Amino acid sequence: DTAVSQTPKYLVTQMGNDKSIKCEQNLGHDTMYWYKQDSKKFLKIMFSYNNKELIINETVPNRFSPKSPDKAHLNLHINSLELGDSAVYFCASSQGAMSNQPQHFGDGTRLSIL
Amino acid sequence: GNSVTQMEGPVTLSEEAFLTINCTYTATGYPSLFWYVQYPGEGLQLLLKATKADDKGSNKGFEATYRKETTSFHLEKGSVQVSDSAVYFCALSRMDTGRRALTFGSGTRLQVQP
Repeated sequence: DTAVSQTPKYLVTQMGNDKSIKCEQNLGHDTMYWYKQDSKKFLKIMFSYNNKELIINETVPNRFSPKSPDKAHLNLHINSLELGDSAVYFCASSQGAMSNQPQHFGDGTRLSIL
Repeated sequence: GNSVTQMEGPVTLSEEAFLTINCTYTATGYPSLFWYVQYPGEGLQLLLKATKADDKGSNKGFEATYRKETTSFHLEKGSVQVSDSAVYFCALSRMDTGRRALTFGSGTRLQVQP
């Protein structure tokens, strides 16, 4: 069984469109994250939710809006897509407040803006 | 703020060679340290971790020791295989005012040739 699953795996769309990426985890974790990986493989945190509450919101354009309907789901909606949004987006989850707990990652969603 | 610095890649080795990938960090207090591995087209997988000074994390023949005096967490393997070819990420995690995301290094690509 997949622990952290993201859909879609690939997303190709045009500039200006609005799109969503979905993430679900079946690990029973209470914290979920979105990371962005650029073309040079650099990974950076975007958002984090703990028990459906937003706890990290990095310097991300407000065109990006995360939504957590429950602890097992964290979706990412992107408005007015721009060329610079092309990247791989990873969802992750972890359990508990202690920093020594590892995060579990999905396989990523490769977003390509034409 | 927190930061992680990794050696630039790619690192190209022959099968059965010894591997070292350097990682140093900057953080206040006592972060937890991780190595993640990303195989082509996949998400990140936890390889090993260490949560306090002098801890040694190990998994699948890989090892890394948490050195607080040198703020380092170098990854080593005595004999690499072709199947180890991947991108390796060093990361740290700190519980700063409830914010517990991973700070990643830039990743090091390892290519192992038969």
